Amino acid sequence: DAGITQSPRYKITETGRQVTLMCHQTWSHSYMFWYRQDLGHGLRLIYYSAAADITDKGEVPDGYVVSRSKTENFPLTLESATRSQTSVYFCASSESSPRGGGGGRTEAFFGQGTRLTVV
Amino acid sequence: AQSVTQLDSQVPVFEEAPVELRCNYSSSVSVYLFWYVQYPNQGLQLLLKYLSGSTLVKGINGFEAEFNKSQTSFHLRKPSVHISDTAEYFCAGTGFQKLVFGTGTRLLVSP
Repeated sequence: DAGITQSPRYKITETGRQVTLMCHQTWSHSYMFWYRQDLGHGLRLIYYSAAADITDKGEVPDGYVVSRSKTENFPLTLESATRSQTSVYFCASSESSPRGGGGGRTEAFFGQGTRLTVV
Repeated sequence: AQSVTQLDSQVPVFEEAPVELRCNYSSSVSVYLFWYVQYPNQGLQLLLKYLSGSTLVKGINGFEAEFNKSQTSFHLRKPSVHISDTAEYFCAGTGFQKLVFGTGTRLLVSP
């Protein structure tokens, strides 16, 4: 099925463990994003990627690592999970730069989210 | 810094009443603006977007928004809400290569 999928949907992990959240999109969108959603903060950008092998930090990148070896995948790794990283994580993709131009669609499409609990 | 401000964290309203959810953006944010809706335990989906042209934008589910450059606002409106409109609504604007979101407004529709 076409779309953007995240796995797992729910994850409980212990403090200090490494955990990877997966994101896969079937549209071949150039841009992909990772957000975390916390009460009172809305969505905050962790990392984004403009293309394969091109990634950049967002607003709250500390404690996270990303990679993008293939256009369709954009995994997010918590190197050593902390309780402050308990959150709902959303992956998104966009056909073109959100800044638009070139006639491309600029809205982002979101996955269903991963609820991560760090105990 | 780029920013999008949603002025109300929660808006309670009765069914069939009109509603307005407010959003202001900083002038440094590109004039590409979006409203997304998030239903419980789901991801975000696009309601409507303003890229250029007419300042009144119509979206899905009977929502519309008006881009006001002089007031740097992009308020979302619906003339008559349904119980099913209960959700979190996010305003977003484009910064350099990325979307900037507001903190969200929870719309609570009661009978």
